Amino acid sequence: ELKVEQNPLFLSMQEGKNYTIYCNYSTTSDRLYWYRQDPGKSLESLFVLLSNGAVKQEGRLMASLDTKARLSTLHITAAVHDLSATYFCAVGVNTPLVFGKGTRLSVIA
Amino acid sequence: ETGVTQTPRHLVMGMTNKKSLKCEQHLGHNAMYWYKQSAKKPLELMFVYNFKEQTENNSVPSRFSPECPNSSHLFLHLHTLQPEDSALYLCASSPPTEPSGYTFGSGTRLTVV
Repeated sequence: ELKVEQNPLFLSMQEGKNYTIYCNYSTTSDRLYWYRQDPGKSLESLFVLLSNGAVKQEGRLMASLDTKARLSTLHITAAVHDLSATYFCAVGVNTPLVFGKGTRLSVIA
Repeated sequence: ETGVTQTPRHLVMGMTNKKSLKCEQHLGHNAMYWYKQSAKKPLELMFVYNFKEQTENNSVPSRFSPECPNSSHLFLHLHTLQPEDSALYLCASSPPTEPSGYTFGSGTRLTVV
């Protein structure tokens, strides 16, 4: 059974600081997805990582995938308040995507 | 709008009511999904449809009944629900080749009273 674990589950960080969210999964996969969810809203696709060593960047967020370590990271650079949301990673191996529990990020002044 | 439309956005129903949630996509996707998101719980996959055929039922109670009349429409029929069924119900779709991931609708916030 595929398991996806994110940590931390809660993250409070100051504006301007850097931090990394980790996503580990239990079964070999070369597909990993990151989503963002604002309170009471739906999930918005952020990144699609489809191969080992893939790196994608959008603004202050950068995601990477290491399929050998079964690990993806979502790095936040110089956080701003607008990044406050819950971030989910998801993995699929010829099955419906399995989601992590999400990391609730709060960026404070 | 993401291309996946869910209605209604909010629903309050009594435990003896019957209601339906609707999901519609015109993205050319062949797979559609229902997820349940409760407070402080991870996303729970409920049902999967591929080309209108149900391919997964994740041990969902029979008071939830899905229907997929075609590849563009997905319904979730609700009857005799319990208060613990109150949650955000999300519909998603994906294309024939998965790599682009899922597109989610805005969700239906369901409250059972």
